[in-house]
Amino acid sequence: DTAVSQTPKYLVTQMGNDKSIKCEQNLGHDTMYWYKQDSKKFLKIMFSYNNKELIINETVPNRFSPKSPDKAHLNLHINSLELGDSAVYFCASSQRPALGANVLTFGAGSRLTVL
Amino acid sequence: TQLLEQSPQFLSIQEGENLTVYCNSSSVFSSLQWYRQEPGEGPVLLVTVVTGGEVKKLKRLTFQFGDARKDSSLHITAAQPGDTGLYLCAGPSGTYKYIFGTGTRLKVLA
Repeated sequence: DTAVSQTPKYLVTQMGNDKSIKCEQNLGHDTMYWYKQDSKKFLKIMFSYNNKELIINETVPNRFSPKSPDKAHLNLHINSLELGDSAVYFCASSQRPALGANVLTFGAGSRLTVL
Repeated sequence: TQLLEQSPQFLSIQEGENLTVYCNSSSVFSSLQWYRQEPGEGPVLLVTVVTGGEVKKLKRLTFQFGDARKDSSLHITAAQPGDTGLYLCAGPSGTYKYIFGTGTRLKVLA
């Protein structure tokens, strides 16, 4: 059973469209994250949720709207897609906030290509 | 703003060689982690170091946390093709945020 699962694995879409990525974790973790990995492989945090509550919004454009219906799910909806949104988006979870011995468990990523 | 700079950015070596990857910051971290990411997958945790000067070994991989807790290194002995991947250091930045290093892409040739 996959610990952190994301769907879809690949999205190819036109500029201006809206798309969603879903994430589910079965680890019982309280904290979930969205990261964006660019073409240079730099992994940058976008959002952090704890028990369904938004904690961190790392100056992400309003076109990105995360939603956490319960603490096991964190979805990402993107409106009016732009070329620069092309990247791999990773969902991750951790048992508790970013403390010393905590572990981030990542999904396999969702590769978004905007044409 | 806390930053984690890794060097080298790219490394291509022959099987059997040794290598060291560095992760440096001007900020103090309460802990640092190392992850490895393979193509098409998410990063997977290798180790967490929490005490300044700490050394941890994981088979052929040796991890060290700097005395001042501003840097860390990963040393691989007798690298194998299976070690190929993207190596990322990471550290907590506040309570609900991990930041990642700039990454080191390692390729080990058979």
